[in-house]
Amino acid sequence: EDKVVQSPLSLVVHEGDTVTLNCSYEVTNFRSLLWYKQEKKAPTFLFMLTSSGIEKKSGRLSSILDKKELFSILNITATQTGDSAIYLCAVGLKTSYDKVIFGPGTSLSVIP
Amino acid sequence: DGGITQSPKYLFRKEGQNVTLSCEQNLNHDAMYWYRQDPGQGLRLIYYSQIVNDFQKGDIAEGYSVSREKKESFPLTVTSAQKNPTAFYLCASNQGYTDTQYFGPGTRLTVL
Repeated sequence: EDKVVQSPLSLVVHEGDTVTLNCSYEVTNFRSLLWYKQEKKAPTFLFMLTSSGIEKKSGRLSSILDKKELFSILNITATQTGDSAIYLCAVGLKTSYDKVIFGPGTSLSVIP
Repeated sequence: DGGITQSPKYLFRKEGQNVTLSCEQNLNHDAMYWYRQDPGQGLRLIYYSQIVNDFQKGDIAEGYSVSREKKESFPLTVTSAQKNPTAFYLCASNQGYTDTQYFGPGTRLTVL
């Protein structure tokens, strides 16, 4: 059965800390790995990764994929209270439709 | 502005009643999805539609029904057969053959 696992499930840090969120997967027909940020409402897209070892970066956020070890990490440096959210990892599969499987999410709280 | 809208934002239902959640998009996307989100479980796929007048069951379709009469609309009906309907419901769309989905703001359904 295809599955996506995230760790930790919740995390509390102080402003300015650096955090690393983990996502591992066991799927057949991997196509892509995606990260979303969810602040109470609609998840918003952060990154899509398809190739191993190529870091994607957006401001203080960065992510990398290891297709051999089947995991990805999302790094957030110099955290701010606005980074508080649920971070969802998802894996896109090569199927008859654009199937995407989501992990349980990591709930990040950044306190002043 | 292009996007996905869902209504209502909050919905309360008595046991035994059917309710319909609205999802509209003006992104001209072919594919639309309905997910259910429960605490600690990530997003689970209820139904998806790749084209008008066609839709398929996802992983947890029992107790739900959908229609896709127009490209921009994909309403979800939660029937009385759904045993545990209290949850946060998210609608998403994408332009076929990509894994990046765009989400609506969600509807929180509570059964009293």
